[in-house]
Amino acid sequence: KQEVTQIPAALSVPEGENLVLNCSFTDSAIYNLQWFRQDPGKGLTSLLLIQSSQREQTSGRLNASLDKSSGRSTLYIAASQPGDSATYLCAVSPPQFYFGTGTSLTVIP
Amino acid sequence: DGGITQSPKYLFRKEGQNVTLSCEQNLNHDAMYWYRQDPGQGLRLIYYSQIVNDFQKGDIAEGYSVSREKKESFPLTVTSAQKNPTAFYLCASSILGAAGELFFGEGSRLTVL
Repeated sequence: KQEVTQIPAALSVPEGENLVLNCSFTDSAIYNLQWFRQDPGKGLTSLLLIQSSQREQTSGRLNASLDKSSGRSTLYIAASQPGDSATYLCAVSPPQFYFGTGTSLTVIP
Repeated sequence: DGGITQSPKYLFRKEGQNVTLSCEQNLNHDAMYWYRQDPGQGLRLIYYSQIVNDFQKGDIAEGYSVSREKKESFPLTVTSAQKNPTAFYLCASSILGAAGELFFGEGSRLTVL
């Protein structure tokens, strides 16, 4: 069964720092990798979707890359802001959606 | 605006009672999902449905039931058989099933008193 791991579980950085969140998966036969953001007590918000034929996707200060052969994805956040504080989760599919447990990010003003 | 609406946002239940969580989407998505989220754990799949009048059990279906009578609606019933129902429940949908992008509602928090 597909297993998804996110390390570190928690990360604290000063405002303005560039940072990288990691996501690894055990089965490289995926079609999609999706990054989400979750604020406390809220649902998940989709940030970026990378299809298997793509190597990266960008949205504003966010850039996600995918290396299927090594079973890894990274989410790069440029010039972090306090409003970026949240839990970030990754998920791979198919045949189902398999989620990591997330990285809790705190950006200190 | 298109999206997924879950209700109620907060729900309290006495032991032995069944409760139903509502999930409605206006995204015209075929696939709908229910997940359970507990502190420190990843999302766990309860049930999913790819088309109307059809649904499949996920990893933790025991003590739960669903129906899919309309494309836009996928209600979840937490029955008295669910031993530890206190959790955060998330409904999601996708236009292409597991080959598509997944979208979530705002969640429903169930507390058993």
